[in-house]
Amino acid sequence: GENVEQHPSTLSVQEGDSAVIKCTYSDSASNYFPWYKQELGKRPQLIIDIRSNVGEKKDQRIAVTLNKTAKHFSLHITETQPEDSAVYFCAAKLNTGGFKTIFGAGTRPFVKA
Amino acid sequence: DTEVTQTPKHLVMGMTNKKSLKCEQHMGHRAMYWYKQKAKKPPELMFVYSYEKLSINESVPSRFSPECPNSSLLNLHLHALQPEDSALYLCASSQDLVERARNTEAFFGQGTRLTVV
Repeated sequence: GENVEQHPSTLSVQEGDSAVIKCTYSDSASNYFPWYKQELGKRPQLIIDIRSNVGEKKDQRIAVTLNKTAKHFSLHITETQPEDSAVYFCAAKLNTGGFKTIFGAGTRPFVKA
Repeated sequence: DTEVTQTPKHLVMGMTNKKSLKCEQHMGHRAMYWYKQKAKKPPELMFVYSYEKLSINESVPSRFSPECPNSSLLNLHLHALQPEDSALYLCASSQDLVERARNTEAFFGQGTRLTVV
C-alpha cells in the first residue's frame, strides 16, 4: 500500500525566514496531494493542494512543488510568522483501490521571534 | 455552509458503556470518513462511506461500528472500548471519492475527544 514519509519532524525557523517541508510517497498511482495545518486542539485544515498533472502551485506565502518522477512533494512557506507555528501534515491520495488518503507523520515548525 | 459538525466535543466513557459519536454535513458531499488521531500523530483512517455505502474498513475492531443513515449523517457506535482507544475521533467529508469530481478536498470536523476509563 501507499506510504508517505515526511521530514523533518520538527523545524526551528527565525521569523521572516523561509521553511521547507518535504514528503515522499511510494505509490505512483497517487494523484492528489493535500497539505493540512493543524493548530493545537483544532481540526486539520487544508492549506494548499496539488494534483499530479501540475508541477507547482502558489497561494500567497505558501507554495507546493511536485516531482512525479522522484515521487517527492514539498511545502514552502516564505516570510514565516508566529501564527505559522502548528503541525503540518502532507498527504497522498490514491485514486484506485479504495481512494485512501495517507498522511505523513507531521512537521512541527517553531517560529522564533 | 462549509462545516462538518461533530457531537459531542468531549466524551468520557467506561469500558462497559455504549455510546455514539455523531457527524453531520450539509455540503452535499457523498463521501464521509472516520479518522482516529492520537496525540502528536497523524490522522489514521478507520472507515470510508461513499454514497451511504461502506467503502473501506481499515481492519477496525468490531467494538467500533459505523453507520450512515443518510447522505448528511455519519455515526460511530462504540461498545466495550479499551483505555487505548482514547483519542481524538475526526469525521471528514469530501465531494466525492473519485477524480471525476473537480474538488476532492476533505473538510474535517472539530473532532470528539474520547477518554475511556
